[in-house]
Amino acid sequence: NAGVTQTPKFQVLKTGQSMTLQCAQDMNHEYMSWYRQDPGMGLRLIHYSVGAGITDQGEVPNGYNVSRSTTEDFPLRLLSAAPSQTSVYFCASSSPFITTNTEAFFGQGTRLTVV
Amino acid sequence: QQQVKQSPQSLIVQKGGISIINCAYENTAFDYFPWYQQFPGKGPALLIAIRPDVSEKKEGRFTISFNKSAKQFSLHIMDSQPGDSATYFCAASSDNAGNMLTFGGGTRLMVKP
Repeated sequence: NAGVTQTPKFQVLKTGQSMTLQCAQDMNHEYMSWYRQDPGMGLRLIHYSVGAGITDQGEVPNGYNVSRSTTEDFPLRLLSAAPSQTSVYFCASSSPFITTNTEAFFGQGTRLTVV
Repeated sequence: QQQVKQSPQSLIVQKGGISIINCAYENTAFDYFPWYQQFPGKGPALLIAIRPDVSEKKEGRFTISFNKSAKQFSLHIMDSQPGDSATYFCAASSDNAGNMLTFGGGTRLMVKP
């Protein structure tokens, strides 16, 4: 049972380069989201999706694009990397809850450094 | 601005002691309040969660206390153990799936043996 799988685990980019962070889940969850984690700021929502073909912006969407062509996959694209995008990125998936302890499952994270 | 404020940023507790982490929120539309635990190099994992129709929820050594009128909630870890050493995040959400979580800044807990 893999859960939420993120690739790569580490990445170094030069300013201006583009790349895609991959996220896949095998729990058939409708909802998926991307967060970035920076020291002292917790996790901040970048983009989210409530189902295939549907995406929306979170708190810090600038510089990032997403698409959701399948239920399983939710890639995050950096169009032109900037040093301010140096962070740890987490993908999460969840389903609409009917109990108190509905859980958003997180991947292991991608540590991105932009130089 | 941060909609969920968490304190303290770091906490050192002796083994067997009580760890207390506090959070305050601003958005009255929030209706789901989970706590996540994160170990170094790992993603956050759900620890315990509460909805505002109850004032307290206990699961083992972990208890959430919730004060709706004050817009505050807290995590108490009883009989703290070295294995509890981790970073703890409070969060809040107004959707039905915890999909759009607003996180506090995190508390790094160290439990000394």
